[in-house]
Amino acid sequence: GENVEQHPSTLSVQEGDSAVIKCTYSDSASNYFPWYKQELGKRPQLIIDIRSNVGEKKDQRIAVTLNKTAKHFSLHITETQPEDSAVYFCAASNVGAAGNKLTFGGGTRVLVKP
Amino acid sequence: NAGVTQTPKFRVLKTGQSMTLLCAQDMNHEYMYWYRQDPGMGLRLIHYSVGEGTTAKGEVPDGYNVSRLKKQNFLLGLESAAPSQTSVYFCASSYMGQGGELFFGEGSRLTVL
Repeated sequence: GENVEQHPSTLSVQEGDSAVIKCTYSDSASNYFPWYKQELGKRPQLIIDIRSNVGEKKDQRIAVTLNKTAKHFSLHITETQPEDSAVYFCAASNVGAAGNKLTFGGGTRVLVKP
Repeated sequence: NAGVTQTPKFRVLKTGQSMTLLCAQDMNHEYMYWYRQDPGMGLRLIHYSVGEGTTAKGEVPDGYNVSRLKKQNFLLGLESAAPSQTSVYFCASSYMGQGGELFFGEGSRLTVL
């Protein structure tokens, strides 16, 4: 099955700086890569996703890049703010397979210091 | 529109006891999932369902059973709880296929003593 590795496990940045989280996946059939944000004590929520036919996607201060050849994708947060402090999860799935099952990475705890 | 709701939110069990977690969604989603969240291990899929009356095993199914008798409900059962099942459990649902967004419930914290 799919295996998703996520690094780093913790990330501390100064407010205004950029944050980058990297994930690698093992199954070349995976074609959908979402990112979820989980604030302390809350449920995970989708913040951005990318499909395998696109190399980069941007939404305001967040962007995701995908390298299918190397099987890795990254989340970039620019001009970080204290409300960006949370745990971020990457995930991968093959939407052609039954169940749309997501395999998640281990998570990255991001702390934005004011 | 409540989205995905889970009950109970918290539960403490003794080893060997049984319990059921209930997940209900009001978005008419076909797909439903149960994940467990443990520190440093992300969210791991326990069981999932692609429609009413169907269930399938995920990544870590041992020690759990599920049922989807109604489209809006997905039940997760522990027949004989073990300390290794201490975790936070999240239910989620999604529109059928095409890499749709997963909508999560608020989570249920289970402690097995």
